[in-house]
Amino acid sequence: EAGVAQSPRYKIIEKRQSVAFWCNPISGHATLYWYQQILGQGPKLLIQFQNNGVVDDSQLPKDRFSAERLKGVDSTLKIQPAKLEDSAVYLCASSLGGAHTEAFFGQGTRLTVV
Amino acid sequence: GESVGLHLPTLSVQEGDNSIINCAYSNSASDYFIWYKQESGKGPQFIIDIRSNMDKRQGQRVTVLLNKTVKHLSLQIAATQPGDSAVYFCAESPGGYNKLIFGAGTRLAVHP
Repeated sequence: EAGVAQSPRYKIIEKRQSVAFWCNPISGHATLYWYQQILGQGPKLLIQFQNNGVVDDSQLPKDRFSAERLKGVDSTLKIQPAKLEDSAVYLCASSLGGAHTEAFFGQGTRLTVV
Repeated sequence: GESVGLHLPTLSVQEGDNSIINCAYSNSASDYFIWYKQESGKGPQFIIDIRSNMDKRQGQRVTVLLNKTVKHLSLQIAATQPGDSAVYFCAESPGGYNKLIFGAGTRLAVHP
C-alpha cells in the first residue's frame, strides 16, 4: 500500500514570501492531519480534517497559515507571509477514522525561512 | 539525512543491552498514550500504545509501562539493535482519541 506522499521534500524561501505544501493521504483515509515539527521538539498539530471539513484548527496561526482539503482527498497547507520562526518540518498524516493509532505519517517537508 | 532532534536528551546504549526511555506527561485527564519512533528524515512511526486502565503492555521487543500516580510513561526495548537508533516520542491524548500532544523526545543512540 502506498504511504502518505508529501511534496516538496525541501523548500528554502525568504521571509515575507509565500509557500505551499502538498499532501496526498493514503487512499480511503478520511482523516488528514498537518503537524509542525520545530527542530528539537515533538510534532504540534496545526489542523485536522475529517473528509473535507475542519475538525480542529485551534493551533493554526490563521493570520498567516491556511489549509484546504478540496474533495476530501489531497490537501495543501499555505504560509503567507512566512516568518523566520516558521522554519520547521511540516508533517502530513492520515488515518481511516479519527483515531491517531491508525495515523500514518509522510516524510515531511523541511522549510527553511531565511 | 537531516536530524530531527539535535538538542534532545540522548540515551546511549550498547548493542544487545536493554533500553529504557522515560516520559513525563502533563495532563492527568489523559487516558491514552502512544510511543512513536522517528528516524532521521522520516515521519514518526507508531510503536505501541496503552490505555489508562492498563499498567503495562507488551509488543515485540518493546514494553510500555504507565504509572498514573506520578504521570510517568516508559518504553523498554529489549536487546537493542542498531536499527533502533532514532528519536522516540511519547504522546498523550486527553480524554479520547481526538487529539495527540507530543512530548519533546529522546534520542536513542545504539553503539556496536
